[in-house]
Amino acid sequence: DQQVKQNSPSLSVQEGRISILNCDYTNSMFDYFLWYKKYPAEGPTFLISISSIKDKNEDGRFTVFLNKSAKHLSLHIVPSQPGDSAVYFCAASPPTGNQFYFGTGTSLTVIP
Amino acid sequence: DAGVIQSPRHEVTEMGQEVTLRCKPISGHDYLFWYRQTMMRGLELLIYFNNNVPIDDSGMPEDRFSAKMPNASFSTLKIQPSEPRDSAVYFCASSFDTDTQYFGPGTRLTVL
Repeated sequence: DQQVKQNSPSLSVQEGRISILNCDYTNSMFDYFLWYKKYPAEGPTFLISISSIKDKNEDGRFTVFLNKSAKHLSLHIVPSQPGDSAVYFCAASPPTGNQFYFGTGTSLTVIP
Repeated sequence: DAGVIQSPRHEVTEMGQEVTLRCKPISGHDYLFWYRQTMMRGLELLIYFNNNVPIDDSGMPEDRFSAKMPNASFSTLKIQPSEPRDSAVYFCASSFDTDTQYFGPGTRLTVL
């Protein structure tokens, strides 16, 4: 059973606007969350992370928000650029072990 | 560093054949992960190693799959016999301690 879910398989956004990618998880023990970005024919690359002690983490145009009570996190990209077009995976990890659970990914297309 | 190296990048084989995927992690990383990416399930963790020792292989789908890590710089994922439903992209990733995982470019496996 999927413990991390990305219910939107795809998203299209106009260049310059905000992109919001969503992720839900079921395991309340997860305490560390990451977003990875993947271009075609390449492996996923780390984008941004957040631990459960915070509800927001910002890095340039990328901000991740965590709502623990709703078991929901989101990635905001502002402003969106054509180079942001990729598949975005969210991942979550429990406090013990080094196992990450990934979602199925959301394909973002930023239209010039 | 060259990053995580995987070979081959593409593999096409016939049902029933043995398939071996190879991975060289980033030097100094003590964790190695094998993932399988499919449209339906996203990135699934198959197995991971810490200091060359398998820690969790609960994601390995069945006995046809096996993985080894004979030394710190090399790991293999073997499928014997292969089946069409094994067709997917297989990623290897490595990390230092519980830090960010760095992914290889993946091996696209097609079993006819």
